[in-house]
Amino acid sequence: EAGVAQSPRYKIIEKRQSVAFWCNPISGHATLYWYQQILGQGPKLLIQFQNNGVVDDSQLPKDRFSAERLKGVDSTLKIQPAKLEDSAVYLCASSLVWTGNSPLHFGNGTRLTVT
Amino acid sequence: TQLLEQSPQFLSIQEGENLTVYCNSSSVFSSLQWYRQEPGEGPVLLVTVVTGGEVKKLKRLTFQFGDARKDSSLHITAAQPGDTGLYLCAGASGSARQLTFGSGTQLTVLP
Repeated sequence: EAGVAQSPRYKIIEKRQSVAFWCNPISGHATLYWYQQILGQGPKLLIQFQNNGVVDDSQLPKDRFSAERLKGVDSTLKIQPAKLEDSAVYLCASSLVWTGNSPLHFGNGTRLTVT
Repeated sequence: TQLLEQSPQFLSIQEGENLTVYCNSSSVFSSLQWYRQEPGEGPVLLVTVVTGGEVKKLKRLTFQFGDARKDSSLHITAAQPGDTGLYLCAGASGSARQLTFGSGTQLTVLP
């Protein structure tokens, strides 16, 4: 089966600019996650979707970050305006269902550098 | 937010040596997963442990879930350079509908 696809792989922007990331999960996977991974740290959940509904966005900085999953398939994550501390790898993951034991399948991420 | 602490943060060993990395929390988890992440890639699942005291083996890797389901360990026997990577534990609780990741252990196995 095809894995989780993410684009772009790399993005360099200046602070206060906007940026968008795209994710296509594994076909049939109902749950989609966006994680932020700062260098040297573990991934931190930003938002979790179940189909096209938001399950958890408690750690999403909503004043600048937004995400959507239209039609319950692809998803986009947007940052507007970006800050220096947003420099990180943004990982998208999907799972067939969410049971707590469900394995997460990750994409290779988008590395964002904010200058 | 439940916290998972991993130790050591960095580990550099010679090929053939054994090692153990730890994942600890003050919270109880319903299950715990271990992932390995290589540079430029996303984490890849190694194992899921569910029952307190459970031990799972994956070739040279042995995973243990603590009796109280608050901690876990990963033991690697006769490490190889291909084992190099960032090892992440991630816990799920019954109340929180999210998987919380630890900060990771960066393992380097030198040939």
